[in-house]
Parts: sequence; C-alpha cells; structure tokens
Amino acid sequence: DTGVSQNPRHKITKRGQNVTFRCDPISEHNRLYWYRQTLGQGPEFLTYFQNEAQLEKSRLLSDRFSAERPKGSFSTLEIQRTEQGDSAMYLCASSPLLFSGPYGYTFGSGTRLTVV
Amino acid sequence: KQEVTQIPAALSVPEGENLVLNCSFTDSAIYNLQWFRQDPGKGLTSLLLIQSSQREQTSGRLNASLDKSSGRSTLYIAASQPGDSATYLCAVTRDSRGSNYKLTFGKGTLLTVNP
Repeated sequence: DTGVSQNPRHKITKRGQNVTFRCDPISEHNRLYWYRQTLGQGPEFLTYFQNEAQLEKSRLLSDRFSAERPKGSFSTLEIQRTEQGDSAMYLCASSPLLFSGPYGYTFGSGTRLTVV
Repeated sequence: KQEVTQIPAALSVPEGENLVLNCSFTDSAIYNLQWFRQDPGKGLTSLLLIQSSQREQTSGRLNASLDKSSGRSTLYIAASQPGDSATYLCAVTRDSRGSNYKLTFGKGTLLTVNP
C-alpha cells in the first residue's frame, strides 16, 4: 500500500464550473476525512466517513459541496458552481478505528484548487 | 471551542542545534495529540501521535511530550538538519464519544535550519 493517494494534484478552473477530486485511502482504514487548507492556516475539517457512511459534515461545507464514499473504498469531493473563495488545498486523510503505536492519521499530498 | 496555538510562528536555527516547538490548546479534554510536518505545497506527514494517557512519544531524533492538564505539548528535535526545514503542525482531537476523530489544527511553526 503506497499511502493515501489524491488526484488531481492541481486543478485550475473558471468560476462557476464544477470540479471533482478523488481520494484513495489506505485500504485497511475504515475512516476517511476531508480537510481544507488556505495559505498560512492549519487545515480545517470538512467531512468524515466511517466505511461508506458520511457521519459528519462541517458547517464550512455549503450546499455546493458534496462528498461520497461508495462501498467504503475511495472517496470523491465535488464542488459545484465554484467561487474564488473555494481556492485552497483540499486534503484527504485516512485512519484506522483505533490507533496503536506512535503514528496516527495518514494524509495525502492534497489537491490544489485555483478558481479564476 | 478548542483553539490550538503554536509558538513561535517561525524559527530559524543553525544546523546541529537542538530545538523545541511549542503547542498549546484551550480545552484539556483531548483524546490524542498529533504532530505533523508539511513541506511547501505538499500534504501532511505524520510525525508522532500521543494518546491522552501518555506523557511522551519518541521517534528517532524527535520527542513529543504532552501535559494534558496544562494544555501544552512540545516537539523536541535533536541535532537539527537542513532537511528538517518545513512547517510543523500540531493538532488535537476531542475526548468525546462519537467525535474523537476530528483534528483541530494550529497554524504551524515554520522551521528553517541553516547549513
């Protein structure tokens, strides 16, 4: 397993267009998370899946955002009618239900979205 | 609402120096605390995770300590190297049944190790 994979790495889109990002977590991990990070800030929580169930959505996630995790495997995050304020790094992470040892959440390399 | 603060915001040290990064959090009811490293334009790399019942965790040249009651954690880096240059982020999860998975991050400390 090569860790958490995110695609694409970069996305430039025009305002008003829809975009979709994909995340492939570590296969043994039940939990999957999406975070958003803007310049100079720490990541902020967007949503959480346990297996295929979406158990929490942040208030940061407007109705234009939707996330899915069919069959509890990969996940997609879609943004409809993008706005310039959506420009950010979108990070996916996965984790087991219980942690053992010194390592915890595994993050992907992120998708950098630029809305022009 | 949990708030995580990291001091200093930026730190520059000569190669070989030992250094300490600080993290404080306002709500001591945490489930765990994790330190991450982030290189420019990249994702996060997990460094160390400390469970709320633990006092410290070590990996190689890194040692993280946790004082839950005072709401503080430190990340100690021994014999710093230029390759350690990155932003270091601290994050905590809440000790709450059903929501102990959500990370609350600080803004990070930008570390530069000069050769």
